[in-house]
Amino acid sequence: DTAVSQTPKYLVTQMGNDKSIKCEQNLGHDTMYWYKQDSKKFLKIMFSYNNKELIINETVPNRFSPKSPDKAHLNLHINSLELGDSAVYFCASSHGGVRYNEQFFGPGTRLTVL
Amino acid sequence: AQSVAQPEDQVNVAEGNPLTVKCTYSVSGNPYLFWYVQYPNRGLQFLLKYITGDNLVKGSYGFEAEFNKSQTSFHLKKPSALVSDSALYFCAVRDTVGGATNKLIFGTGTLLAVQP
Repeated sequence: DTAVSQTPKYLVTQMGNDKSIKCEQNLGHDTMYWYKQDSKKFLKIMFSYNNKELIINETVPNRFSPKSPDKAHLNLHINSLELGDSAVYFCASSHGGVRYNEQFFGPGTRLTVL
Repeated sequence: AQSVAQPEDQVNVAEGNPLTVKCTYSVSGNPYLFWYVQYPNRGLQFLLKYITGDNLVKGSYGFEAEFNKSQTSFHLKKPSALVSDSALYFCAVRDTVGGATNKLIFGTGTLLAVQP
């Protein structure tokens, strides 16, 4: 049973296109996250939702829009893709009630913008 | 500014030898510290965390980490390395600024290479 799953695993697209990445967790967690890992493996948080409410919104271009239809899902939509958006995007989840709970990560989505 | 530093891009160790992966931190308030491991083409996996209490924290796969408040360090250790430990290791600290969130600040990662 996959705890945190992401689709697709690989995404290759042209500049200017719009794409979405989906994330689902079956751990019963109430907090979910999106991270971006660049080519140097640097990992940075983008967004976090707690009970469908946006609680972390880092300095991310407006072209990136997260959506959480329910506690188990957090999707990431990217408009007008640029070359610099090429990266691996990780979804994660945790219990949000206690602020030092470990986060569980999905397998990642490798986005390549041509 | 709150931050985490991993001073070594890569650590090489022979199988069977002890290993240490270094991490230092800078936060205001009490630090909540974490270690994660990333195997090639995989997501991050939680290894261990320090919240409070005993300075020596034991985690998964035989790893442990020592919290040192005076040196603001949280080095990851293992008494005997395995080839299968070869992976990218991330130290992280919970951000204590900005309210009640579980935001983590990650270090730049250290690649551990264990030679047979």
